[in-house]
Amino acid sequence: GAVVSQHPSWVICKSGTSVKIECRSLDFQATTMFWYRQFPKQSLMLMATSNEGSKATYEQGVEKDKFLINHASLTLSTLTVTSAHPEDSSFYICSATDRGRAYGYTFGSGTRLTVV
Amino acid sequence: QKEVEQDPGPLSVPEGAIVSLNCTYSNSAFQYFMWYRQYSRKGPELLMYTYSSGNKEDGRFTAQVDKSSKYISLFIRDSQPSDSATYLCAMSFNAGGTSYGKLTFGQGTILTVHP
Repeated sequence: GAVVSQHPSWVICKSGTSVKIECRSLDFQATTMFWYRQFPKQSLMLMATSNEGSKATYEQGVEKDKFLINHASLTLSTLTVTSAHPEDSSFYICSATDRGRAYGYTFGSGTRLTVV
Repeated sequence: QKEVEQDPGPLSVPEGAIVSLNCTYSNSAFQYFMWYRQYSRKGPELLMYTYSSGNKEDGRFTAQVDKSSKYISLFIRDSQPSDSATYLCAMSFNAGGTSYGKLTFGQGTILTVHP
């Protein structure tokens, strides 16, 4: 089945530094990538949607300059949290779709970010 | 009012019980309905998806969609301790593969099946 590999699975960084999270589709072309944020015991909140080769579309309230999304190829999308602060600590999850399938949202395994 | 409402539980049942999980929604434009299972600190995994109203069965899992009532359900028969997880309902306007195929999630229900 379709697999999305997300790395790192967890990361601790100092306040003010930047962190990059990668999601790779291993056996399909991820024409669209969604990035979510999830707080403990809460549901997934969509942050942005990106189509390969295009600028990402951010949800209302999400700072595009803080959460940089790059989707330069059909198999790789990255989320960079710039100048991270403790309030950015969260669980970040990517999800990819492939226009070649009638249906399909494949999720990565998530990245737990802790900013200290 | 949230677009998708799901009782967060927690729900605790004995092994072998039938579990019923439910979501209601307000936007009649939703056409695709999904149930995901999420273990702690992992990404969601798809359990079931249905298009429009009706039932769908897969092993111990049955998904029901009633578009007239804007109500969806997931039934788990013969529940097992390994079913202990958070269950998320999700829905979309179209099948995905475009920027409009984003999912709207419920809050998730925490389920514990005890031996």
